[in-house]
Amino acid sequence: GAGVSQSPRYKVAKRGQDVALRCDPISGHVSLFWYQQALGQGPEFLTYFQNEAQLDKSGLPSDRFFAERPEGSVSTLKIQRTQQEDSAVYLCASSPRGSSMEKLFFGSGTQLSVL
Amino acid sequence: DQQVKQNSPSLSVQEGRISILNCDYTNSMFDYFLWYKKYPAEGPTFLISISSIKDKNEDGRFTVFLNKSAKHLSLHIVPSQPGDSAVYFCAAIKYNQGGKLIFGQGTELSVKP
Repeated sequence: GAGVSQSPRYKVAKRGQDVALRCDPISGHVSLFWYQQALGQGPEFLTYFQNEAQLDKSGLPSDRFFAERPEGSVSTLKIQRTQQEDSAVYLCASSPRGSSMEKLFFGSGTQLSVL
Repeated sequence: DQQVKQNSPSLSVQEGRISILNCDYTNSMFDYFLWYKKYPAEGPTFLISISSIKDKNEDGRFTVFLNKSAKHLSLHIVPSQPGDSAVYFCAAIKYNQGGKLIFGQGTELSVKP
């Protein structure tokens, strides 16, 4: 497809379980972003990659959150020992270059529910 | 602290009339402002943007106004159409912050036929 693809679409995890969320950006896009959107709120920045380099991870809520993009294309957001407060929609976005003013192309998100 | 605020959670407008969505921000260092539109079960899609050096940007039925002294921006949709019904997010960014958009909470617009 031509857009940003995220999988799984829905994920239910038991508290304490590890989860991995996948993002396939638009082919050739240099920049990739992860955002977290809690119910009724706007998306909140988690982390940013330019190619394989993670340039900003200031938004990751704790050291249980880890993101990687080893080959500069697909990215995985991993959450260890999930907690109920991790329940949210996790959005991935990409942009063609590295300019901060470029519009972002978002995927449909992964809705994570931690029970 | 909420640096970008959308104080109206919802707005209902009649088809053909003007929709005005408002956004306030607290950080005078923001360089660029964007509006994103989100349908249920989809990711946000870019709608329109404005640089901090301008006070107006227009694209078809959509116009964004920026009042820097009041730290306020607004999105005008004229005429409103039922397909415009969605959640609208205001976002802001500093030039040296990569793609670190700061989003407001969103306003749900309902355009009634």
